Amino acid sequence: EDQVTQSPEALRLQEGESSSLNCSYTVSGLRGLFWYRQDPGKGPEFLFTLYSAGEEKEKERLKATLTKKESFLHITAPKPEDSATYLCAVQARGQTGANNLFFGTGTRLTVIP
Amino acid sequence: IAGITQAPTSQILAAGRRMTLRCTQDMRHNAMYWYRQDLGLGLRLIHYSNTAGTTGKGEVPDGYSVSRANTDDFPLTLASAVPSQTSVYFCASSVQGGNRGQVTEAFFGQGTRLTVV
Repeated sequence: EDQVTQSPEALRLQEGESSSLNCSYTVSGLRGLFWYRQDPGKGPEFLFTLYSAGEEKEKERLKATLTKKESFLHITAPKPEDSATYLCAVQARGQTGANNLFFGTGTRLTVIP
Repeated sequence: IAGITQAPTSQILAAGRRMTLRCTQDMRHNAMYWYRQDLGLGLRLIHYSNTAGTTGKGEVPDGYSVSRANTDDFPLTLASAVPSQTSVYFCASSVQGGNRGQVTEAFFGQGTRLTVV
């Protein structure tokens, strides 16, 4: 069964304290892995797409990496404005189309000044 | 500003009533989706449309219907609302293309918070 698991569920960091969020997946062939940021009361905002193991993407203090079984979202020297819920989603092979996108339940990050 | 517009932003609805959530995009994306987001369950796909004129069922389609008359609009209808349909609903769109139908990143609207009482 296709599944996406994110850990930890919640993470509190001091400003400047670097850490990583994990997204583990079991899908019948991966087409792509997506990271999103979601602020309270807002829709998810796209951050990165990763397509193959070994790929890395960076944006400001965020860096996403991908292996054959998991992805990490590394946050370097976070600031309070990085506080949000970070969602991971995977697109599986099989049927083509939009119905093959599976979301994890997210990691709620709080960065304390 | 290009993007996805959802309406209403929030609604309180009596059980048994019919309700249509509206979604419009101006990015000319061919694929559109409706998700519901519930605490602890994440985003779950209700219905999707790969292109205008076609729709498909997602993970939790019961009690919902959709139509895709044109590229831009993808309304979601609750024929007879029940309390378990209390949730935050997100509309999204993406480009679907390539020889293998690979889906690119999805862009989301701001959501509709629906409470069924």
